[in-house]
Amino acid sequence: DAGITQSPRHKVTETGTPVTLRCHQTENHRYMYWYRQDPGHGLRLIHYSYGVKDTDKGEVSDGYSVSRSKTEDFLLTLESATSSQTSVYFCAISSGNRGLSSWEQYFGPGTRLTVT
Amino acid sequence: KNEVEQSPQNLTAQEGEFITINCSYSVGISALHWLQQHPGGGIVSLFMLSSGKKKHGRLIATINIQEKHSSLHITASHPRDSAVYICAVRYSGGGADGLTFGKGTHLIIQP
Repeated sequence: DAGITQSPRHKVTETGTPVTLRCHQTENHRYMYWYRQDPGHGLRLIHYSYGVKDTDKGEVSDGYSVSRSKTEDFLLTLESATSSQTSVYFCAISSGNRGLSSWEQYFGPGTRLTVT
Repeated sequence: KNEVEQSPQNLTAQEGEFITINCSYSVGISALHWLQQHPGGGIVSLFMLSSGKKKHGRLIATINIQEKHSSLHITASHPRDSAVYICAVRYSGGGADGLTFGKGTHLIIQP
């Protein structure tokens, strides 16, 4: 299994509070992704990173920001959490360093976030 | 926008049956992924393919680029195959971009 951890694994927070989710990898992969998974929508891309300090928006980026100051860590921040951000958040990584197979994505265990 | 459609959404079958899950997409892609997610569990990559067919144990994945269609087959299905199976695509030329996912097929194999 790829070395990907997410923290916290579960969090309950109140509307309006800031929340930061962490994704940590030990694979030295260049590309990292944040997805959210919701019933009826499936998985959707929030933000992704293609290197240290290099990030870009995905399909559902409103209300989220990200940072990547080190190769191994990709942080997702909800500046002011809303109930619509209640979801399961998955981090994924890929190396993208050579050929098609390097684009395979490996997923973290997920973080279940509830905003009350 | 690339749409990814899966069918069926839900499938219940008896142990031993041959299972087929379908995935269709609307624009050119560089690769298609099949993923598996057990209830309450994480997401595991089963296959990534850009052409032809791949086999791993009882699982077979095929893709037809011209028809923009892929299938995942499970032979001799077993209750432990019960899971959500998710199809996802990567746009052509979109190396760093993330995946676009179907909504998943919820498979239940009854003993």
